[in-house]
Amino acid sequence: DAGITQSPRHKVTETGTPVTLRCHQTENHRYMYWYRQDPGHGLRLIHYSYGVKDTDKGEVSDGYSVSRSKTEDFLLTLESATSSQTSVYFCAISGAGDNQPQHFGDGTRLSIL
Amino acid sequence: GENVEQHPSTLSVQEGDSAVIKCTYSDSASNYFPWYKQELGKRPQLIIDIRSNVGEKKDQRIAVTLNKTAKHFSLHITETQPEDSAVYFCAASYSSASKIIFGSGTRLSIRP
Repeated sequence: DAGITQSPRHKVTETGTPVTLRCHQTENHRYMYWYRQDPGHGLRLIHYSYGVKDTDKGEVSDGYSVSRSKTEDFLLTLESATSSQTSVYFCAISGAGDNQPQHFGDGTRLSIL
Repeated sequence: GENVEQHPSTLSVQEGDSAVIKCTYSDSASNYFPWYKQELGKRPQLIIDIRSNVGEKKDQRIAVTLNKTAKHFSLHITETQPEDSAVYFCAASYSSASKIIFGSGTRLSIRP
């Protein structure tokens, strides 16, 4: 299994509170990604990173921000959580070069009440 | 932008029979097509992938075919077993940074 650790694995919080999810990798891979998974929608890209301090938006980035201060860590922040952000969040990594396979972490189940 | 359609959304087959899942994509520049298997409560796991310079790839009971002209690709599972029950996702590459866009998934059930 790829060395990817997501924390926390489960979180319940209230609307309006800030939430930060962490993805940690031990593979020294260049690219890191945050997805959300909702029934009927598959996996949708929120943000991705192509290097330290280099990030860009995905298809569903509104309401989310990210940071990558070290190669191994990619943080996803919900500044003011809303119930529509209740979801399962997956982090993925892939190596440098074109079309390298992505490998996923075990996910974080986030519930916003 | 890129869009990936996946069919069927649910599929039930008798154990030992074959299963086929089909996907279409919109961006003719896509050149990498992975397939993921996700068991209940688990992470998606890459099971096979194909690049646009080949038309077919096999790995034991799993095969993927690609038709670039028609912009569709398919996953074939032969001699299905109970452990094949899962949700399967196709995906296609787009833009840069190894980004991929996923289909909406197929829930495969194997009947004993």
